[in-house]
Amino acid sequence: GDSVTQMEGPVTLSEEAFLTINCTYTATGYPSLFWYVQYPGEGLQLLLKATKADDKGSNKGFEATYRKETTSFHLEKGSVQVSDSAVYFCALHKAAGNKLTFGGGTRVLVKP
Amino acid sequence: EAGVAQSPRYKIIEKRQSVAFWCNPISGHATLYWYQQILGQGPKLLIQFQNNGVVDDSQLPKDRFSAERLKGVDSTLKIQPAKLEDSAVYLCASSFQPGKAPEAFFGQGTRLTVV
Repeated sequence: GDSVTQMEGPVTLSEEAFLTINCTYTATGYPSLFWYVQYPGEGLQLLLKATKADDKGSNKGFEATYRKETTSFHLEKGSVQVSDSAVYFCALHKAAGNKLTFGGGTRVLVKP
Repeated sequence: EAGVAQSPRYKIIEKRQSVAFWCNPISGHATLYWYQQILGQGPKLLIQFQNNGVVDDSQLPKDRFSAERLKGVDSTLKIQPAKLEDSAVYLCASSFQPGKAPEAFFGQGTRLTVV
């Protein structure tokens, strides 16, 4: 079945550092890919998405490129802030069945 | 636009008791999901509705869990009897329509502790 694998956390960074969170997936067909973020005490919210190979999703300074050849969708941000401290989830969506599958999540802690 | 509403936010019960969670999706959203998120793990799909029909309940422990979506709007997830391993956050999400990359909107979740 479909699956998503993320790097394990926690990832601890200093403010203004570069952030990368690795995400790879296994799926048949052509899924869409998402990054969701969960801030402390809040529900999941969509951060960015990409619907086809080589698409780049971006939002709030975060970027991720859909790489079909490596089945990856790594999340990057050039300069993190304390407010970026959260848990980040990579997910894939299959149009057939409208199914949304999540990775295990990566906790990021940004220190001032 | 109102978001996905869930209640209660927190619940503590003893094992073997029963519990129910309620979800009100965003108005007009046909798809409704219930996920279980155990501490430190990603959300795991329990059941997915399209309007008031079940699309996928393959990972729902049907001996103890049940869910319904009345009139294709609100949904209730029930656990009876609860086990210690049911301690988790139960997330409800909804999306507008099937198709390519619809955004799923999540509620704040219900944190269940079984003691």
